[in-house]
Amino acid sequence: GQQVMQIPQYQHVQEGEDFTTYCNSSTTLSNIQWYKQRPGGHPVFLIQLVKSGEVKKQKRLTFQFGEAKKNSSLHITATQTTDVGTYFCAGRKSGTYKYIFGTGTRLKVLA
Amino acid sequence: DVKVTQSSRYLVKRTGEKVFLECVQDMDHENMFWYRQDPGLGLRLIYFSYDVKMKEKGDIPEGYSVSREKKERFSLILESASTNQTSMYLCASSFNWQRSAGELFFGEGSRLTVL
Repeated sequence: GQQVMQIPQYQHVQEGEDFTTYCNSSTTLSNIQWYKQRPGGHPVFLIQLVKSGEVKKQKRLTFQFGEAKKNSSLHITATQTTDVGTYFCAGRKSGTYKYIFGTGTRLKVLA
Repeated sequence: DVKVTQSSRYLVKRTGEKVFLECVQDMDHENMFWYRQDPGLGLRLIYFSYDVKMKEKGDIPEGYSVSREKKERFSLILESASTNQTSMYLCASSFNWQRSAGELFFGEGSRLTVL
């Protein structure tokens, strides 16, 4: 079945360093979403990417969707302690309602 | 603001008990989902529903059933709870693809412990 792998599983960075998490699907996706889950909280939607090669920015966050629509990345520039949490990608195949989530990357930011 | 409300934040049940997890959303969303979240495994889809009385199996439906009698309510049922069903259960809802990009709105989660 469809699988979505995410790496790394954990990342510890010093405040001010950059951070990147990568998401890879075994099948072509219709679109991909990114969510952030703060410790003790629930996942909160960040962004959706739909087009091949799409790049979107939200302040210090940059999201990319691969040309083949099978991979995606989230890059955070100059991390802050407020970036702490687990970041999930979620991919959807065309013609289905299901979003398959990646395993998540837990980010810790050391002040 | 969209609100997805899960009936219980914490539950402790015994092996073999029947367990009901309730989820209600107030935004007239067509789609509703049940996920379970376990460390290192991310969120895994149990069941989803795209309309009243409609349901489809997700990736791990074994040991679970669901009910959607009203548009706003989606229930997850564990017919006979087992210890390997100890987990965090997350309900989510969204508009269908014709009405929106399909952003998922999650509830606060229900942490179930089966003894």
